[in-house]
Amino acid sequence: QVQLVQSGAEVKKPGASVKVSCKASGYTFTSYDINWVRQATGQGLEWMGWMNPNSGNTGYAQKFQGRVTMTRNTSISTAYMELSSLRSEDTAVYYCASYYYGSGSYSYWGQGTLVTVSS
Amino acid sequence: DIQMTQSPSSLSASVGDRVTITCRASQGISNYLAWFQQKPGKAPKSLIYAASSLQSGVPSKFSGSGSGTDFTLTISSLQPEDFATYYCQQYNSYPPTFGQGTRLEIK
Repeated sequence: QVQLVQSGAEVKKPGASVKVSCKASGYTFTSYDINWVRQATGQGLEWMGWMNPNSGNTGYAQKFQGRVTMTRNTSISTAYMELSSLRSEDTAVYYCASYYYGSGSYSYWGQGTLVTVSS
Repeated sequence: DIQMTQSPSSLSASVGDRVTITCRASQGISNYLAWFQQKPGKAPKSLIYAASSLQSGVPSKFSGSGSGTDFTLTISSLQPEDFATYYCQQYNSYPPTFGQGTRLEIK
């Protein structure tokens, strides 16, 4: 079965960077786009960007432009999201997700990674 | 960015009730709308896409309707496992945006 398994919780200081991984299994990694969505505690969902694992093409929400980088390592079926210049407002659970809404629709989400930014 | 506004923000209902949640887009999105269910500490789960198409494995007690700017999610015969937070998401244009969520609580 399709699974997206994310790396563990992180604690970072303001100004630092964090890199979250998302390991895919149960399907051909390069077949489905990977999205990253975050959720601050008690808040709603916020889309950050997407990556095509086959081409490496990416698209980022304007809010995160210049601070976020999405990459992949196809040899180990893993996608990465790196967020730099962290501030307290970046404290959130970060999810990777692969979804397609059309014929043959699917939706798979990782379990989430808590990133805490605190001095 | 397209703003998605859900109402109500919270809703109390009893087991067996039928409830409806509304989602309004700030501009027309055709039928490019999805609905998610999220339980505490868990990832969102997709329920509906294309405004009214049920995701595989989702029970038919969940139904969606609407087009353009106004959409609804209806849950019939509420069971204890249905009490959760529900989100709509538009995917008509980038960036995809979510509603603020509707928390469904047991009365």
